[in-house]
Amino acid sequence: GNSVTQMEGPVTLSEEAFLTINCTYTATGYPSLFWYVQYPGEGLQLLLKATKADDKGSNKGFEATYRKETTSFHLEKGSVQVSDSAVYFCALISGGTSYGKLTFGQGTILTVHP
Amino acid sequence: NAGVTQTPKFQVLKTGQSMTLQCAQDMNHEYMSWYRQDPGMGLRLIHYSVGAGITDQGEVPNGYNVSRSTTEDFPLRLLSAAPSQTSVYFCASSYMGGYTFGSGTRLTVV
Repeated sequence: GNSVTQMEGPVTLSEEAFLTINCTYTATGYPSLFWYVQYPGEGLQLLLKATKADDKGSNKGFEATYRKETTSFHLEKGSVQVSDSAVYFCALISGGTSYGKLTFGQGTILTVHP
Repeated sequence: NAGVTQTPKFQVLKTGQSMTLQCAQDMNHEYMSWYRQDPGMGLRLIHYSVGAGITDQGEVPNGYNVSRSTTEDFPLRLLSAAPSQTSVYFCASSYMGGYTFGSGTRLTVV
C-alpha cells in the first residue's frame, strides 16, 4: 500500500536559516504529492503540490521537487521566518489526481526563533 | 464564506457515550472524508464518501459510522466512545482543485 515517511522532528531554527524537511514515499503508479501546513489551533492548508515527475511546487518561498528516481519530495525554504512555525505534513494521492484518498506522513513540527 | 464547517470544536465524553461530529461543506464537492490526527502518526483516514449515498471505510474505521444523505453533509458517529478515540478529528472535502479541511474537533474521552 501507499506510505509516506517524513524526517523526525521537532526542527528548531533561527530566523533566516535554511530549511529542509525530508519526505520519501512508497506508492504504486504515479502519485500526486503534496505539502500541507497546520498552524497552531487550525486545520490543514495546502502549501504546494506536484502531480508528475520533475515538477516543482512552490508557494510562499517554499519549494519541493517531485523526484521519481529517489521517490522523494523534500520541502525547502531559503530563509525561514518566525511566522513559518507550524506542523508540516507530506502527503500523496495515488493516480495523479488531486481528490482521491490522501495518505499522510507523520508530520514535522517546525519552530523558528527570532 | 465557502469552506468546510465542523461542529463542535471541543467535546468531552464519558466512556460508552455516543455522539455525532457534524461536517458541512458549501462547495458542492462530491468527495468528503474524515481523518483523525494523533501525535506522531499524522492523519489517518477513518471513512470517506465519493458522493451522496456512497460511503466506504478508510484505514481506521472501527468504532465509527458515517452516512451521506446529501452532498453537503457528512456526519461522523461514535457509537460507544472509548479512551482510544481521544483525538483531533478533521473533515475534508475535495474536487479537482484539491482538498479543503475543516478546523477540527478536539475530542477527549474520559
